[in-house]
Amino acid sequence: DAGVTQTPRHEVAEKGQTIILKCEPVSGHNDLFWYRQTKIQGLELLSYFRSKSLMEDGGAFKDRFKAEMLNSSFSTLKIQPTEPKDSAVYLCASSDRANTGQLYFGEGSKLTVL
Amino acid sequence: GDSVTQTEGQVTVSESKSLIINCTYSATSIGYPNLFWYVRYPGEGLQLLLKVITAGQKGSSRGFEATYNKEATSFHLQKASVQESDSAVYYCALSGSSGNKLIFGIGTLLSVKP
Repeated sequence: DAGVTQTPRHEVAEKGQTIILKCEPVSGHNDLFWYRQTKIQGLELLSYFRSKSLMEDGGAFKDRFKAEMLNSSFSTLKIQPTEPKDSAVYLCASSDRANTGQLYFGEGSKLTVL
Repeated sequence: GDSVTQTEGQVTVSESKSLIINCTYSATSIGYPNLFWYVRYPGEGLQLLLKVITAGQKGSSRGFEATYNKEATSFHLQKASVQESDSAVYYCALSGSSGNKLIFGIGTLLSVKP
């Protein structure tokens, strides 16, 4: 089975631009997560979907970050407008409904905002 | 709120020496969390190393062990003899019993010297 696929792997944006990161979860998984990874903060949860319904939208990220699940096999994370402090690795993960806590992560999208 | 605190920064250990990466947690809203160690090897995605869902139990994988200590609210990762291939970033994490959402620590970079 294919794992979690994230595109693009690298993105460079100018301050103020809009960027869209994409994620394809493991086939059949019902839970999907977006995390932001930085050296200072570690992994911070941005959004959590279960069966395409938004379960949690990270409070600190609501104003410029918007995650959507267009269907059960595709999700996007839009950042609008971007700021230099958004430079980070954005990780997408999926899991099944068994509540095992085992998440399957993609390799991440590294965003650099100039 | 709920949080995880782990050994920060980088830990350097000589090959064949023992290792401990400290992890403590606070689970005020969850009560009895599930506990995890995730690992990110160079060039790979974040993946589950081990998990324990019952207080007092020990989890193990690839020579690593961690014991769920409810009294001390700790879940330290240990290995008796590290190898160069263990060089990676290690994350301690917790989740509630009713969902897959994970709260991560900041991550610890393990560097094993030959």
